Amino acid sequence: NAGVTQTPKFQVLKTGQSMTLQCAQDMNHNSMYWYRQDPGMGLRLIYYSASEGTTDKGEVPNGYNVSRLNKREFSLRLESAAPSQTSVYFCASRYGETQYFGPGTRLLVL
Amino acid sequence: LAKTTQPISMDSYEGQEVNITCSHNNIATNDYITWYQQFPSQGPRFIIQGYKTKVTNEVASLFIPADRKSSTLSLPRVSLSDTAVYYCLVGETTGNQFYFGTGTSLTVIP
Repeated sequence: NAGVTQTPKFQVLKTGQSMTLQCAQDMNHNSMYWYRQDPGMGLRLIYYSASEGTTDKGEVPNGYNVSRLNKREFSLRLESAAPSQTSVYFCASRYGETQYFGPGTRLLVL
Repeated sequence: LAKTTQPISMDSYEGQEVNITCSHNNIATNDYITWYQQFPSQGPRFIIQGYKTKVTNEVASLFIPADRKSSTLSLPRVSLSDTAVYYCLVGETTGNQFYFGTGTSLTVIP
């Protein structure tokens, strides 16, 4: 039981490049989330998926798109990366009131 | 979306009990209170959750007064490994948006 996994662990992009952050969970949870965490800050919700086939915007969705590919996988896409998107990205899944977080993806946009 | 307020930082000596208070004045009837712990370069990890009065598990206790407008996380006899950021969240089972805030950075001193 790996819990929540994220790939890649670290990525450097140039401004304007695109990339997809991958997230998968093996706990059969319905709800999944993408957060970003900037230095010295708390986590801010980007997008969430309450169930397979549905996605909704969170607090800071601009510049991102998501796909809930199936119950296990929830990906986050940056179509045209900007330096302001330099951050650590965390994926989470949820059971009841408890969220289970992945190890994070550290993204640097130059 | 219920927002929370916590002290930015706290210091404590090893072996002492630490109490971290969180204010959530606009908590709704269906909201639960959940605390997470985050170590550097890791995703947050669930510590404890409650709705009212007192909850205790193997790592912490959570005290919630009758009006539920605040809560206190109590860590008994802290050790150096308890140095982390602690987040208080409020949210309901049917909701999907959670406010992490900036958390409380706890430093345990030898």
